[in-house]
Order: sequence, then structure tokens, then C-alpha cells
Amino acid sequence: GQQVMQIPQYQHVQEGEDFTTYCNSSTTLSNIQWYKQRPGGHPVFLIQLVKSGEVKKQKRLTFQFGEAKKNSSLHITATQTTDVGTYFCAGPAPNSGYALNFGKGTSLLVTP
Amino acid sequence: DSGVTQTPKHLITATGQRVTLRCSPRSGDLSVYWYQQSLDQGLQFLIQYYNGEERAKGNILERFSAQQFPDLHSELNLSSLELGDSALYFCASSVGTSGNTIYFGEGSWLTVV
Repeated sequence: GQQVMQIPQYQHVQEGEDFTTYCNSSTTLSNIQWYKQRPGGHPVFLIQLVKSGEVKKQKRLTFQFGEAKKNSSLHITATQTTDVGTYFCAGPAPNSGYALNFGKGTSLLVTP
Repeated sequence: DSGVTQTPKHLITATGQRVTLRCSPRSGDLSVYWYQQSLDQGLQFLIQYYNGEERAKGNILERFSAQQFPDLHSELNLSSLELGDSALYFCASSVGTSGNTIYFGEGSWLTVV
């Protein structure tokens, strides 16, 4: 079945450093979504990418969808302590309506 | 606040018991999803309902079942509980079945002792 993989599993940075997490799917995705889960919280939708090669920015966050629509990345410029949390990518599971298959996430720790 | 309401927030029960988790989706959302989150397995999709009908099944055990009622709220029933069922169970909802953002509730923490 479809697998969505993320690397790295954990990342510890100093405040002000950049951070990138990578997401790879075993199958082509019609779209990919990114979620953020703060410690003790629930996943919160960040963005959806649909087009091949699409790049979207949200302030310090840059999201990319690969040309083959099988990989994606999230880059945070100049991290802040408010960026702490786990970042998940998710793609539609085949033959499943709109149920999402989530990667295992990248946990980001930012120290001041 | 996502608008998705889950109860109870915390639950402790013994092995072999049965529990029911409840979820009210956001107003207007017809799809409800259940996810299980554990440290080693991440966010696992369990099951989806759309407007009262089962739409998709994921890694849901036979001991688990769910339903969505006419008022669109949903219940996840977990029976013959085992220690390994201890996890955070999320309900999520979306307007439709494709191309929509999924909104998560705050989750129900289940501890099986």
C-alpha cells in the first residue's frame, strides 16, 4: 500500500537557524497537505499543494511539491521558539475518499 | 478551536473493557474521520464516514467499530481493550470527500491498564 515517509524524525536547532523536513510518497499524489502539531495539541492544517512543482510561502515557511508529485518539503527560515512542534505531511490514501495517509512527522525542537 | 468536539478528553479503563469515544464535527461538515496516534505508529487512519455512510477503512482492528448518526456526530467503539490500544484518538472532519481541509478535534486520551 501507499507509504508516506518523512525525514528527519527529529531536528534540534538553535533559534535563528533554518530547518527543512522532507516528505516522500511511494505513489504519485493528487495533492499533499502539511499539518503542524504543537506539543500536547492536535494537528492543525498549514497548507495544501496541488500542482506539480508548486511552491507556496507562508511568512517564514516555504512549501514545495515535487515535479513528479511524489515528494514535498517544508523549509522554515530563521526558526523561532514558536515553531516547536511536529510537522506532518499527508497525502490522499488510494481509493479512500479523502482519508489522508500521514507521514510519521518531523519533531522540531528550537532552543533559544 | 477547530470546531470539532471530542469527548471524553481522558479515559482510563482496564483490559478487556469496552469504551465509546464521541465526536461532533464542525458545523456543515459531512465527513468524519478517526485517527489513532501512538508514539511508535504516528497518525494512523482508522475509518471515514460521509453523511452517515462508511466511506473508507484504514488500519482499524476488528475489535473497533464506528458509526455516524443522522445528526452527523460519530462514535468510535473500542472493545476487548488491550494495553496496546492506549493512544490518543483523534476525530477530524471535512466538508466533503475530496480536496478539503481536514480539521482535527483535540483528541481523546485512552489509557488501558
